[in-house]
Amino acid sequence: GENVEQHPSTLSVQEGDSAVIKCTYSDSASNYFPWYKQELGKRPQLIIDIRSNVGEKKDQRIAVTLNKTAKHFSLHITETQPEDSAVYFCAALPSGTYKYIFGTGTRLKVLA
Amino acid sequence: NAGVTQTPKFRVLKTGQSMTLLCAQDMNHEYMYWYRQDPGMGLRLIHYSVGEGTTAKGEVPDGYNVSRLKKQNFLLGLESAAPSQTSVYFCASRNSGGVWEQLFGPGTRLTVL
Repeated sequence: GENVEQHPSTLSVQEGDSAVIKCTYSDSASNYFPWYKQELGKRPQLIIDIRSNVGEKKDQRIAVTLNKTAKHFSLHITETQPEDSAVYFCAALPSGTYKYIFGTGTRLKVLA
Repeated sequence: NAGVTQTPKFRVLKTGQSMTLLCAQDMNHEYMYWYRQDPGMGLRLIHYSVGEGTTAKGEVPDGYNVSRLKKQNFLLGLESAAPSQTSVYFCASRNSGGVWEQLFGPGTRLTVL
């Protein structure tokens, strides 16, 4: 069945450094790829998303890249700050379906 | 515009008790979802609905029932709660058409003793 693999499961970076989280999806028909940030005890919040007809999207310090041939997409956070510490989830939405396939999450810790 | 709201925020049940979790959205979204999230884990889809009066099973539907009698509400029922259903439950909704952004509610923390 459809699957999204997310790596790494934990990531520690120094404040100011960059962080990269990678996801690989199995269903080549997937056409929408959101990224969620979940702080402790809070709801997942959409931080950026990308559609299959776009290769890269940026929003200030965060960016997402998509490689449809390799079926993987990545979240890039530059100039990390302590408030970026959270769990990040990737997801994929296969075309013609209603169900999002979520990755298992990456716990990011930004060290001051 | 309250977005997606969930009632209650917290609940403690004894094994065998029943309860209903309510999800409401005021954005006129067609699609609604119920997920559970266990400690340190990802999101698993329980049930979803693609419109008023429709429901469908997700990844982990056993032990749960749902109803969507009104477009703005999606109810999740536990008929006979078990300790394995201790979890945080999130509701989410999204619009139909070309809008794929899924918005989450604040969650309900359920403990079954």
